[in-house]
Amino acid sequence: AQRVTQPEKLLSVFKGAPVELKCNYSYSGSPELFWYVQYSRQRLQLLLRHISRESIKGFTADLNKGETSFHLKKPFAQEEDSAMYYCALITSGSRLTFGEGTQLTVNP
Amino acid sequence: DTGVSQDPRHKITKRGQNVTFRCDPISEHNRLYWYRQTLGQGPEFLTYFQNEAQLEKSRLLSDRFSAERPKGSFSTLEIQRTEQGDSAMYLCASSFRGTFQGEAFFGQGTRLTVV
Repeated sequence: AQRVTQPEKLLSVFKGAPVELKCNYSYSGSPELFWYVQYSRQRLQLLLRHISRESIKGFTADLNKGETSFHLKKPFAQEEDSAMYYCALITSGSRLTFGEGTQLTVNP
Repeated sequence: DTGVSQDPRHKITKRGQNVTFRCDPISEHNRLYWYRQTLGQGPEFLTYFQNEAQLEKSRLLSDRFSAERPKGSFSTLEIQRTEQGDSAMYLCASSFRGTFQGEAFFGQGTRLTVV
C-alpha cells in the first residue's frame, strides 16, 4: 500500500539557515511526488512537483528512488517560509496520499 | 475569489444529526475530490468525481457518507447519523484532467464539530 512519512512534525530554524524537510514514501508503482504548503489562514496549495524539477520560492526537491525519499530543501530560509508543509504521492485516479505534515518555523 | 468555494465554513451539530456540505469547484475543472483532515494529520482521500461520475471511494467512506455531483459542477457531501469521530476538517479540491496530475486546487474547508 502507498504511504508517505514525514518524520518531523515540527522544525524550527533561524532566518538565513539552510532547511531540509524530510519525506519518505512507499509505493509499488512509479512514484510521482509533490510538496504542498499551507500558510497561516490560507488554503492548501501546490508548492512543487518532482517531475518538473523546478525551484519554487528557492525550494527544491529531488526524488531519490533508491532511498525512496523526496526531501524539500532551501539553502537560506526566510521568515515568510513559515508554514505547514505536506509531502504527497499521487496514486490511481489522481488521488493524493499525504504525509502528516511538518510545521516549519523560521525565527528572525 | 474565483477559487474552490466551500459552504459552510463551520458546522456544529449534535451526535446523530445529518449534515450536508457543499463544494463549488473552479468552473472549468472536471475533477472534484473530497478529503478529510483531523488534527495533526494530513488530508485523507475520501472520494473523487470526474464530471458527474463518482470514480473512486476510500474505505474511509462508510455507508453513512454519501457524495454527489449531479450535473458535473458543484458537489455535496452528506454525513448521516453523525458521530463524534466525524469531527474533522472536510476539504474539497478540483483539478482539470489534462493538466499535470497532482495539481489540485483546494477550498478553505468545512470544519465539522460533532457534540
